[in-house]
Amino acid sequence: ETGVTQSPTHLIKTRGQQVTLRCSSQSGHNTVSWYQQALGQGPQFIFQYYREEENGRGNFPPRFSGLQFPNYSSELNVNALELDDSALYLCASSLGGGRARSYEQYFGPGTRLTVT
Amino acid sequence: AQSVTQLDSQVPVFEEAPVELRCNYSSSVSVYLFWYVQYPNQGLQLLLKYLSGSTLVKGINGFEAEFNKSQTSFHLRKPSVHISDTAEYFCAVSGNDYKLSFGAGTTVTVRA
Repeated sequence: ETGVTQSPTHLIKTRGQQVTLRCSSQSGHNTVSWYQQALGQGPQFIFQYYREEENGRGNFPPRFSGLQFPNYSSELNVNALELDDSALYLCASSLGGGRARSYEQYFGPGTRLTVT
Repeated sequence: AQSVTQLDSQVPVFEEAPVELRCNYSSSVSVYLFWYVQYPNQGLQLLLKYLSGSTLVKGINGFEAEFNKSQTSFHLRKPSVHISDTAEYFCAVSGNDYKLSFGAGTTVTVRA
């Protein structure tokens, strides 16, 4: 069983640039959630995708957007980067919908984004 | 909306001693509760979960937690810690919307 993978591991961008982060969900999972973890804090929910549709969003501005593909992998895009966007971005996969849904989310190793 | 309060930001403990990490939650609906561990420069690993049923749940690495609905708590315990348990621990809650709300974390430092 393949776990959740994320790429890249680290990334350095300049304020105002755009960035795309990628996530491959665990085998058999159809739901991907994204979280932002600032230094010294707990993760904050950004949004969730279920079967290629956004299925809930946290308190993040529209410049944070996402996609989910037919193979359930996902992208997080952030436009007009700000210094405060520097954080660890975590992707989590789970099995959503129907009787087989589970509440456990399994996390990838994260992408460390630094905005200068 | 759910929220989580982890009552201890840092917990120093000696090797082979017991440890308890405290977590309180607030929610007006049914909750599902989790503890995750994060080692330096890594993602989150699920330690244990409470979905329903027995209020005492056992997880990996010898950890256990007790769900107390009347006190809205979900404290994590381990009877004897090892150096390798040094990490950041997060309590999280979700409802039927699947969104996880995390506490601020508790840093556990195990000393020989």
